[in-house]
Amino acid sequence: AQKVTQAQTEISVVEKEDVTLDCVYETRDTTYYLFWYKQPPSGELVFLIRRNSFDEQNEISGRYSWNFQKSTSSFNFTITASQVVDSAVYFCALSEASNAGKSTFGDGTTLTVKP
Amino acid sequence: EAQVTQNPRYLITVTGKKLTVTCSQNMNHEYMSWYRQDPGLGLRQIYYSMNVEVTDKGDVPEGYKVSRKEKRNFPLILESPSPNQTSLYFCASSLVAGNTIYFGEGSWLTVV
Repeated sequence: AQKVTQAQTEISVVEKEDVTLDCVYETRDTTYYLFWYKQPPSGELVFLIRRNSFDEQNEISGRYSWNFQKSTSSFNFTITASQVVDSAVYFCALSEASNAGKSTFGDGTTLTVKP
Repeated sequence: EAQVTQNPRYLITVTGKKLTVTCSQNMNHEYMSWYRQDPGLGLRQIYYSMNVEVTDKGDVPEGYKVSRKEKRNFPLILESPSPNQTSLYFCASSLVAGNTIYFGEGSWLTVV
């Protein structure tokens, strides 16, 4: 059974600090997909990144970076030089290729960036 | 503009009164899904559809029905709503299952 754990329920940082959001997943599949989504206070869900299990390269997009490590079943998300606009709930999600219709989300991490 | 549209966005209804939340996507996506979001529980999948006339249960399907008669539409039906179905509901679609999921804006449903 697939499972996603975001152990950090809430994180609070001061603007310009770096912050890492943890995501640990469980799956028996060798082919799977991992995602991160952002939910700002306005409520919509914004896609951030999709990574398949065969691509372990880390990804950087502006101030955002993702560290995918199959050895530890983790897909962590780092925001560099955080800004107030980064305040949101962030969700990590998993979908297995053998049952791609099912997707499992973590409980989310609420990030508050204070000015 | 590519989008997933769900209606109504906000609804207060009474226990037992059947309601339908509509969902439509204009991206010709094969895959569509419904989720509910409750405080502290993240998003939980209710039902999903891999293609027209193909639907399957997610993690929390009890009390809900869906249908997929057309590719673009995937309505969520609450035959007899109960207060524990008060939640924020999201419809979503992707080109195929496993691809990037695009979400609608969400529907706040309150059952009293």
